[in-house]
Amino acid sequence: NAGVTQTPKFRVLKTGQSMTLLCAQDMNHEYMYWYRQDPGMGLRLIHYSVGEGTTAKGEVPDGYNVSRLKKQNFLLGLESAAPSQTSVYFCASRIAGDTGELFFGEGSRLTVL
Amino acid sequence: GQNIDQPTEMTATEGAIVQINCTYQTSGFNGLFWYQQHAGEAPTFLSYNVLDGLEEKGRFSSFLSRSKGYSYLLLKELQMKDSASYLCAVRDSNYQLIWGAGTKLIIKP
Repeated sequence: NAGVTQTPKFRVLKTGQSMTLLCAQDMNHEYMYWYRQDPGMGLRLIHYSVGEGTTAKGEVPDGYNVSRLKKQNFLLGLESAAPSQTSVYFCASRIAGDTGELFFGEGSRLTVL
Repeated sequence: GQNIDQPTEMTATEGAIVQINCTYQTSGFNGLFWYQQHAGEAPTFLSYNVLDGLEEKGRFSSFLSRSKGYSYLLLKELQMKDSASYLCAVRDSNYQLIWGAGTKLIIKP
């Protein structure tokens, strides 16, 4: 049982390049989330999904896009990377209607030069 | 605006007890969570409080006072492996989590 898996774990981009982060969960969770974590700040929600085929904006969605074509996968795209997007990105999932315990992936460290 | 406050860093001694406080101001309240995050790793769930009072789970306990907008995480019999950041998060009226910046706990022998 792998839980929540993120790929890649590390990536260095140049300004203007694009990339996609993949999140996969094998727990049949309905809800999935993408967060970014920056020093001295709390986790900030980028986008989330409450089910296959649905997505919604979080607190800091600008510069990011997401897709949830399959229930187990949640993709985060950066169309034109900027240095301000240098961060650690965490994917998380949870069961609908539960206490809301989130299960996190190991994180993806992205550096934009 | 919505705000979660917790101390940036705390230091404690192995075997001792430490209390990490969290105060919050949010639009609505639908539960408070504590997560543990070791350096370079993912956060992991510790506790959930939605009613006032103390929830005990082994060496860890979490307390909530909704009227005061206050919670604390109590760690007993501290071990070196408890060195980590502790994240407080509140679920607001829209069922979204608002996260504090975390408290880095340093355990000394």
